[in-house]
Amino acid sequence: AQSVTQPDIHITVSEGASLELRCNYSYGATPYLFWYVQSPGQGLQLLLKYFSGDTLVQGIKGFEAEFKRSQSSFNLRKPSVHWSDAAEYFCAVSGGSYIPTFGRGTSLIVHP
Amino acid sequence: EAQVTQNPRYLITVTGKKLTVTCSQNMNHEYMSWYRQDPGLGLRQIYYSMNVEVTDKGDVPEGYKVSRKEKRNFPLILESPSPNQTSLYFCASGLAGSQETQYFGPGTRLLVL
Repeated sequence: AQSVTQPDIHITVSEGASLELRCNYSYGATPYLFWYVQSPGQGLQLLLKYFSGDTLVQGIKGFEAEFKRSQSSFNLRKPSVHWSDAAEYFCAVSGGSYIPTFGRGTSLIVHP
Repeated sequence: EAQVTQNPRYLITVTGKKLTVTCSQNMNHEYMSWYRQDPGLGLRQIYYSMNVEVTDKGDVPEGYKVSRKEKRNFPLILESPSPNQTSLYFCASGLAGSQETQYFGPGTRLLVL
């Protein structure tokens, strides 16, 4: 069975600081990995995804993530956070089935 | 504009009163799905559909029904709602394939009294 762990429920950063959100997954083969963002009162929007090739993936809004098979991780990073990045972030894994598994989410708080 | 729409956005109902939440997409996607989002639990898939007349259970299908009679529509039916179905519901659509992006609707917040 596949699973996703986002160990941080909340992360607080200052505007302009760097950001890293952690995601660990469990899946027997090469997974498909996703990061979605949910702004308050909105649905989820894809930030980036990995399914093959280069392990460093670039996404929208200046985000990137790195797939590390040896650590079963897919951490999301941004070099300089903006106040508009405050949102809920979800990591998801999808394998051979069409039932993706989402993590519990990490709430990002940005201080001015 | 490419989008997934859900109606209603907010709904308060009472235990046992049948309700339907509609979902429609205009992107000609084969795949559609329903999720519920609960605090501390993330998103859990209720049902999904790979195409017209093809539906399958997700992780938490109990108490829900779906149908896919047209490609663009995927309604979620609660025939006898209970308070434990109070949640935020999202519909999503995408191309067929586990690696494909899902496009989410704005959500429907349901309160069952």
